[in-house]
Amino acid sequence: DAGVTQSPTHLIKTRGQQVTLRCSPKSGHDTVSWYQQALGQGPQFIFQYYEEEERQRGNFPDRFSGHQFPNYSSELNVNALLLGDSALYLCASSFPVRSDNEQFFGPGTRLTVL
Amino acid sequence: QKEVEQDPGPLSVPEGAIVSLNCTYSNSAFQYFMWYRQYSRKGPELLMYTYSSGNKEDGRFTAQVDKSSKYISLFIRDSQPSDSATYLCACLGNYGQNFVFGPGTRLSVLP
Repeated sequence: DAGVTQSPTHLIKTRGQQVTLRCSPKSGHDTVSWYQQALGQGPQFIFQYYEEEERQRGNFPDRFSGHQFPNYSSELNVNALLLGDSALYLCASSFPVRSDNEQFFGPGTRLTVL
Repeated sequence: QKEVEQDPGPLSVPEGAIVSLNCTYSNSAFQYFMWYRQYSRKGPELLMYTYSSGNKEDGRFTAQVDKSSKYISLFIRDSQPSDSATYLCACLGNYGQNFVFGPGTRLSVLP
């Protein structure tokens, strides 16, 4: 049973560029959440997708956008990159309607903005 | 005040020690409480999951939740060097709300 997968593993971009990160959820999961984890900090919620719609959003600017595909995989797009966007970007998948709401994380994409 | 707080450590203990990790939270709407373990440069791995108040045990790990004091604990018995990692607590409200994580506590178990 494949867990949550993310690509690419590492990415280096320069300020002002745009980036797309990808996530495939755990088999059978239909909800994908994205988190940003700065060095030495806990993950911060960016947004969650279910049924190809953004269901919830954290306190992140519109430069952060996403998409979910019919096969439940998801993309995170960040425009006009800033130095402060350098972080580990984590994708987590879950069932939204189960009472336990467990989330399983992928290994993350480490983004460095120069 | 942050919604979920943890002592960032680092916490260093000798192999075989009992480790106590703690979080406090401020939002009384939180109903679900999780502990994640995160190795360096890896994604968080779910360790324990608890609904509402009470204890839950899984092998060497015990999670406790006291909703009256908004206090969450994780105990690790017979700690091993392989337990060296950052431990994140996370809280979740009812259906439709997002996870809120603490900043994590870095643990080192010395052989």
